[in-house]
Amino acid sequence: SQQGEEDPQALSIQEGENATMNCSYKTSINNLQWYRQNSGRGLVHLILIRSNEREKHSGRLRVTLDTSKKSSSLLITASRAADTASYFCGPMDSSYKLIFGSGTRLLVRP
Amino acid sequence: DAGVIQSPRHEVTEMGQEVTLRCKPISGHNSLFWYRQTMMRGLELLIYFNNNVPIDDSGMPEDRFSAKMPNASFSTLKIQPSEPRDSAVYFCASSPGVSFADTQYFGPGTRLTVL
Repeated sequence: SQQGEEDPQALSIQEGENATMNCSYKTSINNLQWYRQNSGRGLVHLILIRSNEREKHSGRLRVTLDTSKKSSSLLITASRAADTASYFCGPMDSSYKLIFGSGTRLLVRP
Repeated sequence: DAGVIQSPRHEVTEMGQEVTLRCKPISGHNSLFWYRQTMMRGLELLIYFNNNVPIDDSGMPEDRFSAKMPNASFSTLKIQPSEPRDSAVYFCASSPGVSFADTQYFGPGTRLTVL
């Protein structure tokens, strides 16, 4: 079964707006990683947040983690057309496996 | 570094045929992962190796699937016999080692179509 589940499944926004994607998971984790996948390509690592961290920033990306609710969110600020992609969260458990969800398909309209 | 290399990029075969997918991880990486991606099931972890040893193959769907890593620079995923429901994009990924902080680096994938 999938560990990470992203919400919403699809998101369409205007360029310049912020995009927020959520991730829920089921068991204890060591860290949680967010990846991006452009159409027809492999996944690209975006950011990693450890289980003892609550928030992390990387450029226009902001990730939060709430281990009590077993949830994480990815915020992309000032979105650009190039941000159009699918975004996956990968909770990593003690077995060092990343178990991805189905992803959120983000469309940023110019 | 060239990144993770997968071959072939596209494979079209007929049901019942043997299919072999290949992966060359990033040099120096100790862990290697095989994933399968479909619209219906999303991205599934099939198997992963650490130092060429299979650590967890619980995601391998059935005995028709097998994976090997004969050395640190090469891995294969074999499907024999192939079935139409095996059609998917298969990704290989590698990471520096067994560490909870490791990032995985994905290859471009092999798109498999079984007719």
